Amino acid sequence: QVQLQESGPGLVKPSETLSLTCTVSGASITSYYWNWIRQSPGKGLEWLGYMYYTGNTNYNPSLKSRVIISRDTPENQFSLKLSSVTAADTAVYYCARAPSIFGVMEVWGQGTTVTVSS
Amino acid sequence: QSALTQPRSVSGSPGQSVTISCTGTNSDVGTYNYVSWYQQYPGKAPKLMIHDASKRPSGVPDRFSGSKSGNTASLTISGLQAEDEADYYCCSYAGNYYVLFGGGTKLTVL
Repeated sequence: QVQLQESGPGLVKPSETLSLTCTVSGASITSYYWNWIRQSPGKGLEWLGYMYYTGNTNYNPSLKSRVIISRDTPENQFSLKLSSVTAADTAVYYCARAPSIFGVMEVWGQGTTVTVSS
Repeated sequence: QSALTQPRSVSGSPGQSVTISCTGTNSDVGTYNYVSWYQQYPGKAPKLMIHDASKRPSGVPDRFSGSKSGNTASLTISGLQAEDEADYYCCSYAGNYYVLFGGGTKLTVL
C-alpha cells in the first residue's frame, strides 16, 4: 500500500523559505510523478508543481520563480522549497502521486499546515 | 491561467441526482480529456473519484459518473446519500505540463 507523509515546520517567517518533505512508502519515487498541491484557508486547491521519475520538474507558472522541487532517492523522499513567502502562502500543503503528467492525483498525503507569520 | 469555474454550492435530497459543472477554456477542458474529480471531507485530503473525464477508479461507487462536452466537464452523483456531503474539485490538464484545479463546490445533502 502506497503512503505519503508530509513533514516540515508549521511556522515560517515572512520573506523566508518554506521547506517541506514528502516521505514515500510502498513505492519508489523513481517511478510515477510526484506532486505538491496546496489549499489556502477556506479556498480551493492549487497545483504547485511536480517531479518526474527522471528527476525533471515542472512548476505552476504563477509560482515558478519561487518553487523548487527536489528529491532524495536513497531516502525515497521528495521536497518542496518555496522562497520569499508571505501570508498568502499560508496553507495546507499536500504531496500526491500521479501516474502521468495529466493531473490524476491517485494517492495523497494527509497534508501539513504551514502558517507564514512573524 | 485562472482556476476552472465551479458553482460554489449545490444541494439535493437523499435518493436524488445532482450534477456539478466545471467550466474551463479551449486551452484546458475543451482540448484535453484529462479531467479528474476529487471528493474532500473537512480536514481530510482529497480523494480521486473520476479520471480521464469519465473513468472511475476501483472502489468508487458507480453512483459517481463523469462526462464532458466542449469546455465543460460534469460530475453526476445519482442516488444521493448523506455520506456524499463533501467538497468536490475538478482538475484539468492545461497543456505545457500544467495542471489546473477548479475552485470547488460544496455539496449539501438536505
